[in-house]
Amino acid sequence: EPEVTQTPSHQVTQMGQEVILRCVPISNHLYFYWYRQILGQKVEFLVSFYNNEISEKSEIFDDQFSVERPDGSNFTLKIRSTKLEDSAMYFCASSEDLYNEQFFGPGTRLTVL
Amino acid sequence: QQQVKQSPQSLIVQKGGISIINCAYENTAFDYFPWYQQFPGKGPALLIAIRPDVSEKKEGRFTISFNKSAKQFSLHIMDSQPGDSATYFCAASTGFQKLVFGTGTRLLVSP
Repeated sequence: EPEVTQTPSHQVTQMGQEVILRCVPISNHLYFYWYRQILGQKVEFLVSFYNNEISEKSEIFDDQFSVERPDGSNFTLKIRSTKLEDSAMYFCASSEDLYNEQFFGPGTRLTVL
Repeated sequence: QQQVKQSPQSLIVQKGGISIINCAYENTAFDYFPWYQQFPGKGPALLIAIRPDVSEKKEGRFTISFNKSAKQFSLHIMDSQPGDSATYFCAASTGFQKLVFGTGTRLLVSP
């Protein structure tokens, strides 16, 4: 069964450093999403991406965040200058189109020290 | 108005019992209501979903009940099993776009 994959599974970084979280969506999917989940809290939407552009972003997704689809398979989330409060699980999701369910990856745990 | 309120925060059910988790929403534009199951260290996995044109949907031991006028929906897990122990999130969206998640319910099914 096809699945969304994410790397790394755990990333530890120092405050102020840049991190790139990587995702490989399901191959025939066209819509891509990033969500985050601070420990013990609910899952929150960050951004959606379609046709090489951002479709929608939340208030959390400020200028420190960016997304990119650098090739035909990867989808990345970059945080330019990490803060302590960026520590969370980051989930990538993808869907075939706007009318189908979103499939989530296993997540990347980001720890900012 | 974008919030989805979920209760209870945690739930302990005996094996074989019925687990019931409730959610309420305000945004009448929401038209897709999925439930996700999450095991520790894993991403959310779609369990079952409903559109507002039906009041109930059943898949195996899992049933969603939907009350459009009350803007509430609930998940019922019949014959709960220890393997059902997980965190359950309700969510809502307009179309299948960004999902707005509830706060989660940690379910423990005791043997």
